[in-house]
Amino acid sequence: TQLLEQSPQFLSIQEGENLTVYCNSSSVFSSLQWYRQEPGEGPVLLVTVVTGGEVKKLKRLTFQFGDARKDSSLHITAAQPGDTGLYLCAGASGGSTLGRLYFGRGTQLTVWP
Amino acid sequence: GAGVSQSPSNKVTEKGKDVELRCDPISGHTALYWYRQSLGQGLEFLIYFQGNSAPDKSGLPSDRFSAERTGGSVSTLTIQRTQQEDSAVYLCASSLGRYSGANVLTFGAGSRLTVL
Repeated sequence: TQLLEQSPQFLSIQEGENLTVYCNSSSVFSSLQWYRQEPGEGPVLLVTVVTGGEVKKLKRLTFQFGDARKDSSLHITAAQPGDTGLYLCAGASGGSTLGRLYFGRGTQLTVWP
Repeated sequence: GAGVSQSPSNKVTEKGKDVELRCDPISGHTALYWYRQSLGQGLEFLIYFQGNSAPDKSGLPSDRFSAERTGGSVSTLTIQRTQQEDSAVYLCASSLGRYSGANVLTFGAGSRLTVL
């Protein structure tokens, strides 16, 4: 059972286009994180969101946490080839599994020059 | 160290052999995680150590898999009698721990295991 569903699974776009990646769940998370992974490396944290409705901006990347803390989105404006990579969302659910992070399957983004 | 160090970076083994994968976390990080990533897949949780607490082993896929963490630092993931379906990248991560606000993981580069 996949706790976090990411969509789309693959995304191939031209440089300069905008895109949105979604991360959805039926579970409530105490916090949600987005990571980016490049080939041959481990995932690297991009952002953490903890408050329902929270919006964070990181240059051309905008992250939003749903009001009910069950979903999140990542929007990239004017994508560049350097944005290519696997984008993963991860949620912490609290309770007896506090500290454990659940990851989605990821969205593989390819940006062509 | 400055980052999470994993060894070996690549391991090719024959079906039925045992393998050990090592993780050296960031100094001072009390939490340590093992995840598995198969080709084109997301991260599958395996096991989680938090300080001196009993580890969360709920993600280990079978009793062929075990892990230990000695002295609250270095961890070893052992796979006995390897099968071809064990082929994957095994990622280790560490963090300051669940009592340090939102749990931010720092990952190593992974150990790529190929079982022939």
